Amino acid sequence: DAGVIQSPRHEVTEMGQEVTLRCKPISGHNSLFWYRQTMMRGLELLIYFNNNVPIDDSGMPEDRFSAKMPNASFSTLKIQPSEPRDSAVYFCASSLGHGGSGNTIYFGEGSWLTVV
Amino acid sequence: QKEVEQDPGPLSVPEGAIVSLNCTYSNSAFQYFMWYRQYSRKGPELLMYTYSSGNKEDGRFTAQVDKSSKYISLFIRDSQPSDSATYLCAMTHGSGNTGKLIFGQGTTLQVKP
Repeated sequence: DAGVIQSPRHEVTEMGQEVTLRCKPISGHNSLFWYRQTMMRGLELLIYFNNNVPIDDSGMPEDRFSAKMPNASFSTLKIQPSEPRDSAVYFCASSLGHGGSGNTIYFGEGSWLTVV
Repeated sequence: QKEVEQDPGPLSVPEGAIVSLNCTYSNSAFQYFMWYRQYSRKGPELLMYTYSSGNKEDGRFTAQVDKSSKYISLFIRDSQPSDSATYLCAMTHGSGNTGKLIFGQGTTLQVKP
């Protein structure tokens, strides 16, 4: 079975440019999560959706970040304008149900973003 | 103070050793506790899951939760070089409509042949 699919795997962009990260969750899963991982802050939840509706976006750093889930099989995380401090690995994950309380959260392989 | 504290290591042990990984937490509402394993340049994958206090064993891995001390542990017996990875603890209170897991920083483990 295909796991969570993320693209691009690697991206290097210049400060000020728009970055769009894409995610296809596991078919049948109804929760989708965007996480960011850095050496300094570890793995942090940015936003999560349940049945395509944003449930908790309290981790979104600022207005430069936005996420959408137009349908059950696709989500985007957009950074505009990008800054060097946005350099990190961005993980998309999905689960059946809300995750955490007994429902396994499956992670993609990450999008490695470098902003120069 | 972070909600979940985990020593980042690195931890280096010889093959066959018993490994002990630990996390402490401050939120007494946490009820669901997980350990994820993350290989280099990969996404985390669920290794062990425990609800409330107690022990859970799966092969060479044992997870322990002590809610009274707000302390969780993962033990790896007969460690193998293939166990070399970063181990992240994660937890949530699990009530209501929340999938928000709080992760520790992760402990990097190296098992030397």
